[in-house]
Formats: sequence, structure tokens, C-alpha cells
Amino acid sequence: NAGVTQTPKFQVLKTGQSMTLQCAQDMNHEYMSWYRQDPGMGLRLIHYSVGAGITDQGEVPNGYNVSRSTTEDFPLRLLSAAPSQTSVYFCASSYTGGSVTEAFFGQGTRLTVV
Amino acid sequence: AQSVTQLGSHVSVSEGALVLLRCNYSSSVPPYLFWYVQYPNQGLQLLLKYTSAATLVKGINGFEAEFKKSETSFHLTKPSAHMSDAAEYFCAVRGPNNNDMRFGAGTRLTVKP
Repeated sequence: NAGVTQTPKFQVLKTGQSMTLQCAQDMNHEYMSWYRQDPGMGLRLIHYSVGAGITDQGEVPNGYNVSRSTTEDFPLRLLSAAPSQTSVYFCASSYTGGSVTEAFFGQGTRLTVV
Repeated sequence: AQSVTQLGSHVSVSEGALVLLRCNYSSSVPPYLFWYVQYPNQGLQLLLKYTSAATLVKGINGFEAEFKKSETSFHLTKPSAHMSDAAEYFCAVRGPNNNDMRFGAGTRLTVKP
């Protein structure tokens, strides 16, 4: 059971470059989300999706785009990378039917923008 | 909107001592609360969750947390610290729509031999 898989694990970008962080889950979860983790700030929600074709903004959405064409995949796009986007990015998924459930996390992508 | 505040960014205890990590929540409705642990260079792993079934929640690795509505708190405890408990711990709250999860800033636990 793979759970939540993020690729790549590490990435270095130059300012202005674009890239896509991949996230896939095999648990048939409707809800998926992206967080960034910065020292002393915990995890901050970037974007989330409650199902295929539906996305919404979180706390810190500027500079990031998302789409959700399938239940399994939720890629995060940086259109023009900036040094302020240097961070560790986590994708998470959870089941939303009926009972309260926890979020399951990927192993993270460590992004450095130079 | 729901939020959590973790008191103390760093906590240091001796091996065998009590671990107490503090979390206070802010919510206008009954919250759903979680504690996660993060080991170096890894993702987040669920320790325990509160979903209103019982105020004292037991989790993995000997951790437990007590929901106290009067104090708006959900502190994490472990009677006896082990070296392997050294990690960063996050408190999180989920809103009534069961979707949006918000995290505290985290508490780094150090265990001294």
C-alpha cells in the first residue's frame, strides 16, 4: 500500500523557472491538500481539493496553481519560482465520508530556489 | 476559523521524565483535534486524534492527550520519555466541514540521556 507519493524528493530551481510537484494517492480519498513547512511556522495550507474538478485556496496560495483532473492526482505548479518559495512541501489526503479522519502525508519535497 | 497555538517551540526533558507538550485551540464549534509527530527528513505521522467520543485519547508510542473544553486545551503527555521520542510534534485542528486542517507552529522535543 503506497499511500501518498510525492515526487521529486529534492529539487533546485533558478528564480523564474517553473516546475510541477507531483502528488498521487491510492486510497481513493476525496480530499487532497498541499502544505508548505517553514521553520517556526508549522505547516501552512496552500491549496486543497474536495474532489476531482474542485479546488480552492488555503492560507498561502499566491504563486501556486493546482488542478484535480482525477481522484488520485493533485499536482502543484510553480509558474515562476521565487526564493521565498524555498520550503518543504507536503501533500496530504483524507477520506471525508461521515466520520472525522486524519490526513495522510507524503514524505515531502524539499525545494530550493536560488 | 479554527486555529491552534502550541506553547513552547522547544521542550527538553531527561530520559524517563514526563513529557508535556501544550496545545490550545480556538474554535466557535466543537473541534476535531490531532497530534502528529515528524522525525527528521520524514513526513508527518498521526499520534492520536480527538473526535468527541472520549476526552482522554490514547495514541501510539505511549502518548495520550486530554481534551479540556473549559481550558480550550489538548495537551500531549507521555509518562516516561524515551530517546526515540526526540522529534517535532504538531497539534492540528479540523473544521466542522471536515476538510480544512490547520496546524500549530510545532514543538521540538529533545530527550537528554
